[in-house]
Amino acid sequence: AQSVTQLDSQVPVFEEAPVELRCNYSSSVSVYLFWYVQYPNQGLQLLLKYLSGSTLVESINGFEAEFNKSQTSFHLRKPSVHISDTAEYFCAVSEHTGGFKTIFGAGTRLFVKA
Amino acid sequence: DTEVTQTPKHLVMGMTNKKSLKCEQHMGHRAMYWYKQKAKKPPELMFVYSYEKLSINESVPSRFSPECPNSSLLNLHLHALQPEDSALYLCASSARQGTGELFFGEGSRLTVL
Repeated sequence: AQSVTQLDSQVPVFEEAPVELRCNYSSSVSVYLFWYVQYPNQGLQLLLKYLSGSTLVESINGFEAEFNKSQTSFHLRKPSVHISDTAEYFCAVSEHTGGFKTIFGAGTRLFVKA
Repeated sequence: DTEVTQTPKHLVMGMTNKKSLKCEQHMGHRAMYWYKQKAKKPPELMFVYSYEKLSINESVPSRFSPECPNSSLLNLHLHALQPEDSALYLCASSARQGTGELFFGEGSRLTVL
């Protein structure tokens, strides 16, 4: 069975500092990997995804994540955060079998301080 | 703007009421989902419809009754709920033979008194 572990429940960081949100997964088959972001009182939005090809994927707002198969990780990074990045971030995995179950991690609360 | 629309955004109901949550998408997706999210928790899968047929029911109590009238619409009928059912209910859709990438609505915040 697949599982997702987000190692940090909360990450406080000062504005313009770099940040890394960690995600590890476990699965017996190949997977697709996702980061979703949830702003207060809103639904989840896809931030970025790894489907195949280049192991480094980027979002339009400066986030990037790197798929590391040997370490079964998909950590999210941003070199300089903004106050507006304050949100809950969920790492998620779905298996290549084409089923409907996307497994979410417990979430990491990113809190950007001025 | 989200391409998955949920109504109402907020709902307060008593334990004896009957209400419904509605979800609509026009992306041509053939899989639609209901998730339940409690505060500070990840979304929990409740139901999945594929091509308008119920594909997954994650052992959800019968007081929650899903319905998929057509490929664009998904309803969640609520009856005799408990206070612990208060949560954010999220609708999502995905391409049937896709990657599992989900498109979420903004959710319906349900409070059961």
